[in-house]
Amino acid sequence: GNSVTQMEGPVTLSEEAFLTINCTYTATGYPSLFWYVQYPGEGLQLLLKATKADDKGSNKGFEATYRKETTSFHLEKGSVQVSDSAVYFCALPISSGSARQLTFGSGTQLTVLP
Amino acid sequence: GAGVSQSPSNKVTEKGKDVELRCDPISGHTALYWYRQSLGQGLEFLIYFQGNSAPDKSGLPSDRFSAERTGGSVSTLTIQRTQQEDSAVYLCASSLARARGLGREQFFGPGTRLTVL
Repeated sequence: GNSVTQMEGPVTLSEEAFLTINCTYTATGYPSLFWYVQYPGEGLQLLLKATKADDKGSNKGFEATYRKETTSFHLEKGSVQVSDSAVYFCALPISSGSARQLTFGSGTQLTVLP
Repeated sequence: GAGVSQSPSNKVTEKGKDVELRCDPISGHTALYWYRQSLGQGLEFLIYFQGNSAPDKSGLPSDRFSAERTGGSVSTLTIQRTQQEDSAVYLCASSLARARGLGREQFFGPGTRLTVL
C-alpha cells in the first residue's frame, strides 16, 4: 500500500518566520495528496490538497506542490502567525485503486511564538 | 450546516468493559470512516463504510473491534473487553463518494477520547 513519511517535530518558530514541513510519499500511480491540520482542542481539518502531479494546493497562506520527481509534497508558508500553531498531517489514500481511506504521516507539532 | 458529530467526547472505562462510540456524519455523505489517533501509532485507519456495500474492515486491530452503520447514516464503533492499549482518540470522518471521487475531502469529527484504566 501507499505510505507517507513526514518530518518529525516539534517545530518552534517566531512569528513571521518561514515554515517548511517536509513530506515524502511512496505510492503506485499518482494518488491525491493532502495536508490536514489539527488546531488545539479541535478535529482534523483539510488544509489543502493536490490531485495530480505539478498541482499546487494553497489555503490560508500555506502552499504545497505535488512533485512526482522527488515524490514530495512539502508544506510551506512564507510568514507564520501565532494562530498557525497546530499539528500538521500529510496524507494520501491508503492504496491507489478505488480506496478512499487515508494513511497519515506521524504529524508535526508547530508552535509559533509571538 | 452541521459537521460530523461524535459522542461521547470523553469516555473513561475500566479494563474488560465494553464501550460504544457514536458518529453522526454530515447529512448526505455516503462514505464514513473510523480512524484511531494514539501516541504510539499516530493516525490509523480502522474501518470504512460506503453506501450499502460491505464495509472495509481491514484496519480493525482485533476481533474485539466492530462497527455498524444503520440506515446509511449513524455509525457505532464497539470495542469489547477493552484493554489499556485501546486508549486513544477515535475519529470519525465522512465524505461524498462518487465513482471518481478519489480526491474527495473527508470531514472529521472532534473525536472521542477513550481512556481505559
